[in-house]
Amino acid sequence: QVQLQESGPGLVKPSETLSLTCTVSGASISNHYWTWIRHSPGTGLEWIGYIYYRGSTNYNPSLKSRVTISVDTSKNQLSLWLSSLTAADTAVYYCATWDYGRYWYSDLWGRGTLVTVSS
Amino acid sequence: QSVLTQPSSVSGAPGQRVTIPCTGSSSNIGAGFAVNWYQQVPGTAPKLLIYGNINRPSGVPDRFSGSESGTSASLAITGLQAEDEADYYCQSYDSTLSGSVFGGGTKLTVL
Repeated sequence: QVQLQESGPGLVKPSETLSLTCTVSGASISNHYWTWIRHSPGTGLEWIGYIYYRGSTNYNPSLKSRVTISVDTSKNQLSLWLSSLTAADTAVYYCATWDYGRYWYSDLWGRGTLVTVSS
Repeated sequence: QSVLTQPSSVSGAPGQRVTIPCTGSSSNIGAGFAVNWYQQVPGTAPKLLIYGNINRPSGVPDRFSGSESGTSASLAITGLQAEDEADYYCQSYDSTLSGSVFGGGTKLTVL
């Protein structure tokens, strides 16, 4: 079955850049839209942005100046970069599918990876 | 401040029915964009519960149902069970943001 697995550093320092990878197995990353979402206890779920396998993207305006999402079809992976980190970026980060253009839901999620921003 | 508004908590006794409202605006629910609902047990990834306002994915019990009207939507849970205790989030698409928006989440407590 299709599985998504996030990976990256669990601890990053303030002002640094976070880099996360999502590896997709059991399906091709092509012909699909993918999204990154984060969850923090105080904020709940927050949409970060999406990418189509051909590279088109859009980001949450509140994060747009700091975020980049890319896709590597050869590795069946998508990546997230978030710069100028602060404690407010501490969250569990998820990659997920996205039903773009119809119902706009995410039915397949990774297990998530906890990122703590602290010196 | 979430784009979609939900109560922070609701509660009900086993066997009872509870509803969780989700209020949006003319750029998301009111524009006709579908509302989806997720259940999140602490420490786990969100699980899709309802999509397209009223549809249940395979495996979701028919105790869960969704509705939508105007700029609002609602999730109803009948025959409450202890295992339903979780956080519930509504989600839609927003044309102003050109992206996904979530409610702030509602914690369901089964008394």
